[in-house]
Amino acid sequence: ETGVTQSPTHLIKTRGQQVTLRCSSQSGHNTVSWYQQALGQGPQFIFQYYREEENGRGNFPPRFSGLQFPNYSSELNVNALELDDSALYLCASSPSGRRDTQYFGPGTRLTVL
Amino acid sequence: GENVEQHPSTLSVQEGDSAVIKCTYSDSASNYFPWYKQELGKRPQLIIDIRSNVGEKKDQRIAVTLNKTAKHFSLHITETQPEDSAVYFCAASGSYQLTFGKGTKLSVIP
Repeated sequence: ETGVTQSPTHLIKTRGQQVTLRCSSQSGHNTVSWYQQALGQGPQFIFQYYREEENGRGNFPPRFSGLQFPNYSSELNVNALELDDSALYLCASSPSGRRDTQYFGPGTRLTVL
Repeated sequence: GENVEQHPSTLSVQEGDSAVIKCTYSDSASNYFPWYKQELGKRPQLIIDIRSNVGEKKDQRIAVTLNKTAKHFSLHITETQPEDSAVYFCAASGSYQLTFGKGTKLSVIP
């Protein structure tokens, strides 16, 4: 069984740029959630994708957007990057019928200069 | 929205002793309470979870208890080992969104 994978591992961008992060869900899982983890903090919910549609959103502005594909993989897009967007971005996948039971990927470390 | 408070923020124990981490939540609609272990530079790992229809759950050296009336839940680790050293996060969920505490850094001293 393959776990949750994310790419890239690390990314450095400058303020104002756009970034796309990718996530492949664990085998058999059809739901993907995205979280932002600032240094020394717990993960903060960004949004969840289920059946290729956004299924709930946390307190993040519209410049954070996402997609889910038919194979259940997902992308997180962030436009107009700000310095405060520097964080570890985690995706988590969930099995069918248990969308709150979430298994995390290794994350993408984004640095905005 | 949900708010989760976690205490203590740091905890040091001697190897072989027990460790207890406590969390409180605000939303009475929350019904799922997972615990995650995050080692430095690694992903949060789901170590145990409990649903609101259960008061206690145990898995080898770790156990979780839930008091719905008081909106408290706790993680108990017995016979701690150096490899238990990590940051532990509690979380609460009423539907699909996990709301996390700020974490407890556990250090197990050999």
